[in-house]
Amino acid sequence: GQQLNQSPQSMFIQEGEDVSMNCTSSSIFNTWLWYKQDPGEGPVLLIALYKAGELTSNGRLTAQFGITRKDSFLNISASIPSDVGIYFCAGQRNFGNEKLTFGTGTRLTIIP
Amino acid sequence: NAGVTQTPKFRILKIGQSMTLQCTQDMNHNYMYWYRQDPGMGLKLIYYSVGAGITDKGEVPNGYNVSRSTTEDFPLRLELAAPSQTSVYFCASSYIAGTIAQETQYFGPGTRLLVL
Repeated sequence: GQQLNQSPQSMFIQEGEDVSMNCTSSSIFNTWLWYKQDPGEGPVLLIALYKAGELTSNGRLTAQFGITRKDSFLNISASIPSDVGIYFCAGQRNFGNEKLTFGTGTRLTIIP
Repeated sequence: NAGVTQTPKFRILKIGQSMTLQCTQDMNHNYMYWYRQDPGMGLKLIYYSVGAGITDKGEVPNGYNVSRSTTEDFPLRLELAAPSQTSVYFCASSYIAGTIAQETQYFGPGTRLLVL
């Protein structure tokens, strides 16, 4: 089965730095979602994107739905210790289609 | 609301044993899902349900069974546990109506399963 390609696989940054990660696919998705997973917990939705080219913010997080509908980007500004975790992108092909395809995850570690 | 709850949190099984992973949601969601997450990987869909009495296979259904007798509950059953089923299992739910789905899947805390 297909999984979305996320990069980088892991990041080690200092507190206060900005973070960028992306997710790419060989096929089109009509919805892109970004989730964060804390250790020992289930994923929690951060941002949802529904239109190509859409740029959406949620506090220090900004995500974009790529124009080609084959990619998405997540940026975190001024990182703080609680940003540590694994970030997953997920794509949904059709409106009303219930299945999500998940990316392989980007593990974020913050160095004090 | 408790959201999505899963039990147990952790379980060790011997090869060939069976068990049921429980999942309950109190948000009146019509869709429910079971995923497995292997180390360093994303989530893979095992089974899903679009409503009580209706279930369908996901990407990796072999070795698992599900049932959906009520809106709230969606148990996942392993009949003959194998080491390849060692994983973290997540249940999720969402509400979808019509074709314009503003879908948000809410996840439970997960069940860690070790098969030895």
